[in-house]
Amino acid sequence: DAKTTQPTSMDCAEGRAANLPCNHSTISGNEYVYWYRQIHSQGPQYIIHGLKNNETNEMASLIITEDRKSSTLILPHATLRDTAVYYCIVRGTNDYKLSFGAGTTVTVRA
Amino acid sequence: KAGVTQTPRYLIKTRGQQVTLSCSPISGHRSVSWYQQTPGQGLQFLFEYFSETQRNKGNFPGRFSGRQFSNSRSEMNVSTLELGDSALYLCASSWGTGSSGEAFFGQGTRLTVV
Repeated sequence: DAKTTQPTSMDCAEGRAANLPCNHSTISGNEYVYWYRQIHSQGPQYIIHGLKNNETNEMASLIITEDRKSSTLILPHATLRDTAVYYCIVRGTNDYKLSFGAGTTVTVRA
Repeated sequence: KAGVTQTPRYLIKTRGQQVTLSCSPISGHRSVSWYQQTPGQGLQFLFEYFSETQRNKGNFPGRFSGRQFSNSRSEMNVSTLELGDSALYLCASSWGTGSSGEAFFGQGTRLTVV
């Protein structure tokens, strides 16, 4: 019952920015956009989340469109260690679970 | 500060047996969630506990149960194990209140049912 659509896979060159798109056309007003990633055989790692404004932290930037129907996660300088499955998740304030879809498999190549 | 700790990391059980997995959340976190990850179904939500109360439950049979203790540590139990229960079981902890609900995951317990 994931509410997001992401590309299945994408490649990125090491040192370049990686732009990961996510569609969430049915998002409602109190729902946040969260991004997690999972490196092989490890637990998912929180990256960033936002409601309507763009957000930036030490790991990434999150750009949310004005209509909130889509967003882009930006990894500014991808490294080989950024190779992982990236999940875009929509979650309400009182929603106590994360609904993971299939995510985007990102491969960073040297 | 210490992260989320799950024990054991690996487990092999026989069909029909039962198993108990443990999760110690980050200090101060009151919410613990459990997820099952399999190659076929991906990451699926099992249940979430907050202050010893189950607040949300996923679509899993009653063989899957959990509980949370007063110190926020949580356990999940699977009874009458089936081959299809082989999976990576992940625990996540968070503050559990408000909008800032980022969850922090443990490394998981890899359960193999033979």
